[in-house]
Amino acid sequence: NAGVTQTPKFQVLKTGQSMTLQCAQDMNHEYMSWYRQDPGMGLRLIHYSVGAGITDQGEVPNGYNVSRSTTEDFPLRLLSAAPSQTSVYFCASSYSKTTEAFFGQGTRLTVV
Amino acid sequence: SQKIEQNSEALNIQEGKTATLTCNYTNYSPAYLQWYRQDPGRGPVFLLLIRENEKEKRKERLKVTFDTTLKQSLFHITASQPADSATYLCAPPPGGYQKVTFGTGTKLQVIP
Repeated sequence: NAGVTQTPKFQVLKTGQSMTLQCAQDMNHEYMSWYRQDPGMGLRLIHYSVGAGITDQGEVPNGYNVSRSTTEDFPLRLLSAAPSQTSVYFCASSYSKTTEAFFGQGTRLTVV
Repeated sequence: SQKIEQNSEALNIQEGKTATLTCNYTNYSPAYLQWYRQDPGRGPVFLLLIRENEKEKRKERLKVTFDTTLKQSLFHITASQPADSATYLCAPPPGGYQKVTFGTGTKLQVIP
């Protein structure tokens, strides 16, 4: 039981490049979400999903896409990386609305 | 807009004392709040969830209160230890009030 697994742990991109941050959970959780964490800003919600095939935007969705084709996976796509997307990204999952969220170890992304 | 606010200033306390951290929310009424601990370079880890009809919840040396009149939750660590040093975050659960994100967290430093 690995919990929430994020890959890669570190990534450097050039401005304009695209990439996908992977997130997988093996707990059969319906709810999954992506956050970014910047110094002094706390965790900000990017996108979330309440189940396979269902996604919605969070507080800061611009420049990011998500899809949820399976219960286990919730990838986050950066369409055209910008320096403002330099951040630490966390994926989280939870069984339901009223249960604890489990977070991955994070992906540290630098856009140059 | 909906907001979660925590004291962004670091809290320094002496080992053995009780640490009290504050979480205030504005412009909405969450049915519950969660508290998380985050260590540097790691994802948040769930500690406690408290519902609006629960005035207080305890887990070992941890205690959380929820005052819907004051729109405030307090997080207490009794008999604090240096190992309690971390950043503590409060938030509605993922999947609940989606647009409301975590507070910035309060960094606690327990001094031996």
